[in-house]
Amino acid sequence: DAEITQSPRHKITETGRQVTLACHQTWNHNNMFWYRQDLGHGLRLIHYSYGVQDTNKGEVSDGYSVSRSNTEDLPLTLESAASSQTSVYFCASSEGGGLHYEQYFGPGTRLTVT
Amino acid sequence: DQQVKQNSPSLSVQEGRISILNCDYTNSMFDYFLWYKKYPAEGPTFLISISSIKDKNEDGRFTVFLNKSAKHLSLHIVPSQPGDSAVYFCAASMNRDDKIIFGKGTRLHILP
Repeated sequence: DAEITQSPRHKITETGRQVTLACHQTWNHNNMFWYRQDLGHGLRLIHYSYGVQDTNKGEVSDGYSVSRSNTEDLPLTLESAASSQTSVYFCASSEGGGLHYEQYFGPGTRLTVT
Repeated sequence: DQQVKQNSPSLSVQEGRISILNCDYTNSMFDYFLWYKKYPAEGPTFLISISSIKDKNEDGRFTVFLNKSAKHLSLHIVPSQPGDSAVYFCAASMNRDDKIIFGKGTRLHILP
């Protein structure tokens, strides 16, 4: 069955360290998205990609970067982790084409920055 | 500025009764609306959607109503079941844009 996976599921890191969260989907979807979920804020878009070599900034992109070298993967990198980046991170994918296909979400990565 | 608003952080409903979750939006360019459901320690899952050309969409126990003039939509769950206890996110997107803007969510508790 096609799926979307995230790794690691839990991560503790120190302030200032670089951290990369992995996202892998097997649906062959064009679109991939990264969100963070925080109490009182819901789901906020960090970065997104509409295809290979395409990346775009979302609502809360400062301190994060992504790269899309193939269809299946969109890793999220925190260049220098800060305590404000402690959160639960969700990756999602969708078919794309501006046709309002729903997004499929991964199980999430809980990141703690100490 | 929040474009999709869910003003009730939580809602408690008796099992078997109707649950009504509300959502307001500010951007008149939104033309597609979705509801997602999220259980603890899991990713959100798509529940139901509605296009702006419709005012109602039904799928089993779930019905979404859209009032474009009021920029308001609601999700009705009838009858409510224990497994419906979750956080529900309202979301919206614009024509030919695959980004989705989410509200902050409403936590629904179904009481026995």
